[in-house]
Amino acid sequence: LAKTTQPISMDSYEGQEVNITCSHNNIATNDYITWYQQFPSQGPRFIIQGYKTKVTNEVASLFIPADRKSSTLSLPRVSLSDTAVYYCLVVENDMRFGAGTRLTVKP
Amino acid sequence: GAGVSQSPSNKVTEKGKDVELRCDPISGHTALYWYRQSLGQGLEFLIYFQGNSAPDKSGLPSDRFSAERTGGSVSTLTIQRTQQEDSAVYLCASSLTPRGGPSYEQYFGPGTRLTVT
Repeated sequence: LAKTTQPISMDSYEGQEVNITCSHNNIATNDYITWYQQFPSQGPRFIIQGYKTKVTNEVASLFIPADRKSSTLSLPRVSLSDTAVYYCLVVENDMRFGAGTRLTVKP
Repeated sequence: GAGVSQSPSNKVTEKGKDVELRCDPISGHTALYWYRQSLGQGLEFLIYFQGNSAPDKSGLPSDRFSAERTGGSVSTLTIQRTQQEDSAVYLCASSLTPRGGPSYEQYFGPGTRLTVT
């Protein structure tokens, strides 16, 4: 089974760009990479999904190298409201969210 | 439109009692998931329903846990003879398409906080 590894926590300051990297060495050919965001006392919500290269939406960018063994979620100019837990998933027959990365944005 | 709803939002029960947690998925979503999240932890997959297929129960932690989905819509997660370690937030999610593939996205409900005393 493809397993993901991400940093447990990260700190940043308002206005900075934040990059969270996820490792998924055993990713399969058909797997997509998906990131979710979870605020306290809420369920996770979808942020972005990609297969290879770069994907950008109004919230974030996702960078995936050619070997697809890792991916990087990039949050431009974070604000205090971006403080949350971010989960990287490699979607296959199981849904394993893992512990995620707890991002704290400071003023 | 309406999102995923769950009830109750909070449930306090005594050890040994049975509890039922309800999930109303987004209308038209064929897939439904249950997860458990202990304080400060990630999500633990419990069970997955997809259309009329047999559910994937591989995440259920013990035979005290069961779930059903009636008419392809509402789902109920039942925990029998609750234990203190069952205390957690139980999250339900639904998706329009089966898991995997492009444009696949889960929509989560607000969760039910279960406390077993």
